[in-house]
Amino acid sequence: GAGVSQSPSNKVTEKGKDVELRCDPISGHTALYWYRQSLGQGLEFLIYFQGNSAPDKSGLPSDRFSAERTGGSVSTLTIQRTQQEDSAVYLCASSLIANTEAFFGQGTRLTVV
Amino acid sequence: SQQGEEDPQALSIQEGENATMNCSYKTSINNLQWYRQNSGRGLVHLILIRSNEREKHSGRLRVTLDTSKKSSSLLITASRAADTASYFCATSPTGANSKLTFGKGITLSVRP
Repeated sequence: GAGVSQSPSNKVTEKGKDVELRCDPISGHTALYWYRQSLGQGLEFLIYFQGNSAPDKSGLPSDRFSAERTGGSVSTLTIQRTQQEDSAVYLCASSLIANTEAFFGQGTRLTVV
Repeated sequence: SQQGEEDPQALSIQEGENATMNCSYKTSINNLQWYRQNSGRGLVHLILIRSNEREKHSGRLRVTLDTSKKSSSLLITASRAADTASYFCATSPTGANSKLTFGKGITLSVRP
């Protein structure tokens, strides 16, 4: 595709349910990032994949959060046993190589009720 | 933790005026980037300046970088109402595969 694609655009879930958020990066991009943004706030780093290196998971807020990137392409962010404080916009970005311009998807707005 | 810190947090100017936004960071960097965000969704890359560069221009944008002070500024000249958005600086710390971290952003309002 032409850009980074995220799905779903919006997700409403009940507290305690698990959710999966999907990111399709730009083809050929080796770096993939996940960020979280609460209303009116900055971007909170979650996890970073770069090529075949071990992912940098230092930003994941708890063990309820996990992410994988299959075949160096599509990535899935999973949140288990969702809590109300997980409500935010989850943004995915990719870049051709590390340390270069990042291209963002439009995000998934997650609401936990 | 936030690597970059922008200031001011909010800026309101009249159309036609220049807007200056600042960013400070803590560690050595490969490069510093500025992004724009409309309506709380995806960010758009504006400009990248490498650690060995001091100034860069792109259209109405001018970015400076002072590595000795660990700071950068973004100048938007002849602002337009359409420039109203949130602006973020992002840093790529020194290292081969370092992650990109963002500041909290600056809200710019340009009054018509």
